[in-house]
Amino acid sequence: GAVVSQHPSWVICKSGTSVKIECRSLDFQATTMFWYRQFPKQSLMLMATSNEGSKATYEQGVEKDKFLINHASLTLSTLTVTSAHPEDSSFYICSAREGGGAHEDEQFFGPGTRLTVL
Amino acid sequence: QKEVEQDPGPLSVPEGAIVSLNCTYSNSAFQYFMWYRQYSRKGPELLMYTYSSGNKEDGRFTAQVDKSSKYISLFIRDSQPSDSATYLCAMGKGAGKSTFGDGTTLTVKP
Repeated sequence: GAVVSQHPSWVICKSGTSVKIECRSLDFQATTMFWYRQFPKQSLMLMATSNEGSKATYEQGVEKDKFLINHASLTLSTLTVTSAHPEDSSFYICSAREGGGAHEDEQFFGPGTRLTVL
Repeated sequence: QKEVEQDPGPLSVPEGAIVSLNCTYSNSAFQYFMWYRQYSRKGPELLMYTYSSGNKEDGRFTAQVDKSSKYISLFIRDSQPSDSATYLCAMGKGAGKSTFGDGTTLTVKP
């Protein structure tokens, strides 16, 4: 149980285009989904937190107009990188939290999406 | 000062060794403590989840939480080359969002 999928697993795009990444919780309903960014050999950097049906909460320094997050259902959240540039190239990882009880803060991660912007 | 401190390593041990990974934290509001394993170019995988102080064992893995010292540990017994990965500690206050350590890179040599 507690499987989170991401699609695509990798994507290469031209500078100036937009890229959408999907995150799905396959066997549970995620009250909260998180989006992280990770550069090589560095830790996870939280970008934003999204709750189903409400606007995402972005971390300081993350441009909300550039990284659009939609959490349309309890099993799906999307991250759209708009007008991507080479510096946006990174490993993007989502996680999902069901919440409740003794597992309040337990997060399950997707496999990640490697974005390369040419 | 970071809320969660984790020695980045790298840590290299021979196969079969006992590995000790540690994190310290400064915020006493943390109640939930997690350890994740991340292989290169993969998403983190939850290894251990503990609530409050104490020990928790799962196979070769033992997680310890000492809230009085604000210190958590993950022990790996009989380490295997397949345990080579980056280990991330994480802590939560019960509000959903977790704070992660920077990760410790472990290599287990055959």
